[in-house]
Amino acid sequence: DAGVTQSPTHLIKTRGQHVTLRCSPISGHKSVSWYQQVLGQGPQFIFQYYEKEERGRGNFPDRFSARQFPNYSSELNVNALLLGDSALYLCASSLIGYGTDTQYFGPGTRLTVL
Amino acid sequence: AQSVTQLGSHVSVSEGALVLLRCNYSSSVPPYLFWYVQYPNQGLQLLLKYTSAATLVKGINGFEAEFKKSETSFHLTKPSAHMSDAAEYFCASSRGGGADGLTFGKGTHLIIQP
Repeated sequence: DAGVTQSPTHLIKTRGQHVTLRCSPISGHKSVSWYQQVLGQGPQFIFQYYEKEERGRGNFPDRFSARQFPNYSSELNVNALLLGDSALYLCASSLIGYGTDTQYFGPGTRLTVL
Repeated sequence: AQSVTQLGSHVSVSEGALVLLRCNYSSSVPPYLFWYVQYPNQGLQLLLKYTSAATLVKGINGFEAEFKKSETSFHLTKPSAHMSDAAEYFCASSRGGGADGLTFGKGTHLIIQP
């Protein structure tokens, strides 16, 4: 079975621009979570979606938004990019997204903001 | 709020020696605990997870971790290090509800000396 896939692999944007990152979960998984990993730090939780509804949100500004589609794939959108948004953005999928349910991570999208 | 502390941003051991990576959690209620490994330019892979079923948890690649409530610790060990174990290791916790996602430590970079 294919794992979690993310696109694009790398992305370079300039300050003020908008970006959309995409994630396809493992087949059968209904929950998708997004994380931001700044260089040298652990991932930080941004959003979790389950059955197309937002279940949880981390401490990120409203410039960050996401959605989940009927096929359970997901998009993360970031508006008005700042230099500090440069990071590896990780998507994780899981069956139900809570309890001891394992989150499986994709390879990430490396975003560079110039 | 939950927090996870990993002692030592870098740990260096000789090939064949014991690996010990430290993790302490802060939570009023024992959380679910996880160890993930990240190889360069890749996403995170689950090594093992604590689900309250047993305090000693065995994972993949010969790793294991012991949950100690009295010490609020979940240290990761491997009896004999291999060169392929060189990577970044992250301890993470979850309250189980899903709304907060996983809370990660800052990571420990494991270096294996030949």
